This record gives sequence, C-alpha cells and structure tokens, in this order.
Amino acid sequence: EAQVTQNPRYLITVTGKKLTVTCSQNMNHEYMSWYRQDPGLGLRQIYYSMNVEVTDKGDVPEGYKVSRKEKRNFPLILESPSPNQTSLYFCASSWDGTPYEQYFGPGTRLTVT
Amino acid sequence: TQLLEQSPQFLSIQEGENLTVYCNSSSVFSSLQWYRQEPGEGPVLLVTVVTGGEVKKLKRLTFQFGDARKDSSLHITAAQPGDTGLYLCAGDEGWSGANNLFFGTGTRLTVIP
Repeated sequence: EAQVTQNPRYLITVTGKKLTVTCSQNMNHEYMSWYRQDPGLGLRQIYYSMNVEVTDKGDVPEGYKVSRKEKRNFPLILESPSPNQTSLYFCASSWDGTPYEQYFGPGTRLTVT
Repeated sequence: TQLLEQSPQFLSIQEGENLTVYCNSSSVFSSLQWYRQEPGEGPVLLVTVVTGGEVKKLKRLTFQFGDARKDSSLHITAAQPGDTGLYLCAGDEGWSGANNLFFGTGTRLTVIP
C-alpha cells in the first residue's frame, strides 16, 4: 500500500530534550516536506526537500532541522524543543520535485511541557 | 508569507443543501490544490487546478480556478454527512522557481443529517 508513515504518532516531552520524528514514504517520491498545524494558523511549511541531499526552509523553520540522506526518509529534528513547538506535525511527499499533489502522513501530535 | 484566505471559516448546513467555499489571495499561483482533512488524519488531495478559469468536477464537487490564478472556489451540490470535514486550499508559486506550498486556514464544514 502506497503511504507516508510517521513515528511516533503521539509524543509528550520536556523543554530542551532533543527529539526526532521520523517520516518515510514507499512511493519513490522526489519531494518531501514537513508542516505544522495550529488552530487559527492552519498548515505552515517548516522545511522541504526537492530530492536527496537538497533541503530548503519553508515558512517557519526556526527551531527545526531536517536531513535527506535517502530518498524515502525525511526526519524532523528538534534539537531543543520549547513549548511553542507544541503542535500537530505532518509529513508529506509528492512524485516530482515540486509540492504538486502531495500525499500526507497521519500526523504526529507533539506536546512540549 | 503568502496569505490564502478562506471563507467562511465555519459552515453548518442540512443534508441536501448546496454550499460554496472560497479561497482568495493577492498572489498568483502556478497551481491551486484542494484538500479535505478529517479528524485525526492528514489532508487528502481532492483536486488540482492549474489553468486560469479552469473548472473541474469530482462527483458533486465543482472546483474553479480564477482567471487571474489568485482565487478559487469549491461548490458542493446536495451535501451529504460524508462531506463533513476541514477543507483546505493550497497554492504553489512554481512559476517563480519556489517550491513551497502555502495553505489557507481552512473551512470547517458540518453537514447535519
């Protein structure tokens, strides 16, 4: 089954404790991206990657890191999480190197206390 | 940050009624995508429009891209409870070489049986 998977689905952590949210897609897609979704603010893009080893900042990259060492994986790293990073996070992918017609993962709900 | 405004923010209607959701921006987009998101899940792509003035139909849903490629509308005929969800529009500025995607804040639709 073609899909985008994220792990974990739920995470509660404390301020400053480094964490990684994994994202993997099995569709051989070139483009991958991360979004956060907050009430009243909608979905905002954090980082995106047009292909392996190429990443770029989205709208709200501060406090996040990403890497794209393999085509299928695009982990999101929070080196020192803060409470304002409490949010619902989505990973997405699309077949070419653009955000055209993206497939979204199921989401990761992160709470930073 | 590009601003995509959706209206209305909330809409509650009776089964069988018609409705229109609007997505407006001051920016020109290469394409505009519509997604539907259900609670606890990631957005799912409904349609992509790429040509100014384009109209696409998906069963009871009709999507239109404005002539100037700055706005779009989604019309649902004879709404059903299964149409309930959060409807999101998203625009990309691929024509400018950018590869990020901007989402509207969404319209939350409830169809009452």
